[in-house]
Amino acid sequence: GDSVTQMEGPVTLSEEAFLTINCTYTATGYPSLFWYVQYPGEGLQLLLKATKADDKGSNKGFEATYRKETTSFHLEKGSVQVSDSAVYFCALSDETSGSRLTFGEGTQLTVNP
Amino acid sequence: GAGVSQTPSNKVTEKGKYVELRCDPISGHTALYWYRQSLGQGPEFLIYFQGTGAADDSGLPNDRFFAVRPEGSVSTLKIQRTERGDSAVYLCASSFLSGKQETQYFGPGTRLLVL
Repeated sequence: GDSVTQMEGPVTLSEEAFLTINCTYTATGYPSLFWYVQYPGEGLQLLLKATKADDKGSNKGFEATYRKETTSFHLEKGSVQVSDSAVYFCALSDETSGSRLTFGEGTQLTVNP
Repeated sequence: GAGVSQTPSNKVTEKGKYVELRCDPISGHTALYWYRQSLGQGPEFLIYFQGTGAADDSGLPNDRFFAVRPEGSVSTLKIQRTERGDSAVYLCASSFLSGKQETQYFGPGTRLLVL
């Protein structure tokens, strides 16, 4: 079945540092890939997505590229801010599993001033 | 416009009791999903509706869990004979259409605690 593996957290960075959160996946079909973010006290929000190989999703300075050859969708940001502190979830949706999202376990990011 | 709303935001119940959790999707969204999130974990799929019918209920853990969406809008997740292991945050999401490319919009969740 489908699965998503994220790098273990928590991750603690200083403001303006470079961020990478690794995500790899296993899927039986050709999935769409997503990054969702959960800010403290708030619900899950879509951060970015990519629906086919080599697509790059981007939003709020975050980027992730759909790499079919390495089955990866790593999240990057060049310069993090304190306001980026949140839990980040990688997820996929695959036509063989219907419309459901399969999530990774989440990575807690804390950015210190 | 309004996002996905869920009520109640918190529910405390005793083991063995029955609970109902409500989800109001974004207006016009045809697909509705329920997920369950345990502490420190990612959300896990429970059930998905396309219109009024359950298109996929393979994530429901057992027959104590049931969900309905009678008019194709509001959905209710029902849990009978609650157990302490049912304690979690129950998330609802909706999307305009179904399909792997569609963005699912999540509500704030209902935090269920079974004592």
